Amino acid sequence: AQTVTQSQPEMSVQEAETVTLSCTYDTSESDYYLFWYKQPPSRQMILVIRQEAYKQQNATENRFSVNFQKAAKSFSLKISDSQLGDAAMYFCAYRSADPGTYKYIFGTGTRLKVLA
Amino acid sequence: EAGVAQSPRYKIIEKRQSVAFWCNPISGHATLYWYQQILGQGPKLLIQFQNNGVVDDSQLPKDRFSAERLKGVDSTLKIQPAKLEDSAVYLCASSLVLSTEAFFGQGTRLTVV
Repeated sequence: AQTVTQSQPEMSVQEAETVTLSCTYDTSESDYYLFWYKQPPSRQMILVIRQEAYKQQNATENRFSVNFQKAAKSFSLKISDSQLGDAAMYFCAYRSADPGTYKYIFGTGTRLKVLA
Repeated sequence: EAGVAQSPRYKIIEKRQSVAFWCNPISGHATLYWYQQILGQGPKLLIQFQNNGVVDDSQLPKDRFSAERLKGVDSTLKIQPAKLEDSAVYLCASSLVLSTEAFFGQGTRLTVV
C-alpha cells in the first residue's frame, strides 16, 4: 500500500522569503502522480502543483516549484517570495496512474505560517 | 464554472443520532469521492464512485456509514448511528474520469457530542 509522510507539522516563514515543505512517499508503482494541495481556513482544498512521475523535469507554477527525486521518493514544495495569503495547511498527495485505483492518498499536512 | 457544492456546512448531533451530507459535483464529472478529515490529520478516502458505481469503499465503516450516488450525479453520505469519533470534516471531491485533478468542496464539519 502507498503511504505519504510529511514530517513537518508546522513551518514559519517571513514575508517575501523562501520556504521548503518536505514530503516523502512509499510505493512500488513506477507510474503515478504527486500533488501539493493548499487548505485555507475555508477548508476547501486547492491544487497548488502536480508532478507526473514519468517526467524528470520539476514542475513549476509561478512562485511554487517542486523538487522531485524519484529514486529517493521525495517530493518537496518550494514557495518563493512568500505572501500572507500563502498561510494555510499544505498537503502532499499521491495518486496511482492505474485506472482502477484513482484515489488520492494524503499526508498529515504542514501548517505554514507567514510572518509580516 | 460552478464548483463542488456541499451541504450543510456545519452539523452538531448527539451520539447515536443519524446524519446525512449532500454533495453536488461539477457537471460532467463522472468520478466522485468522499473523504473524512479528522482534526490534525490528512483526508482519508471513505468511498469513490465512478458514475453511480462504487470503485473503492474499502475504508468505509459499513456497519454505520452508507453512501449512494443516484443517476451518477448527486451523492449522499449517511452515518447511523453516529459515534463521538465520527467528529470530522467530510469532504466531497469530483473529477473527470481521466483527469489527474480532483476539485474539492468546502466540506461539512460534523461535531458529535
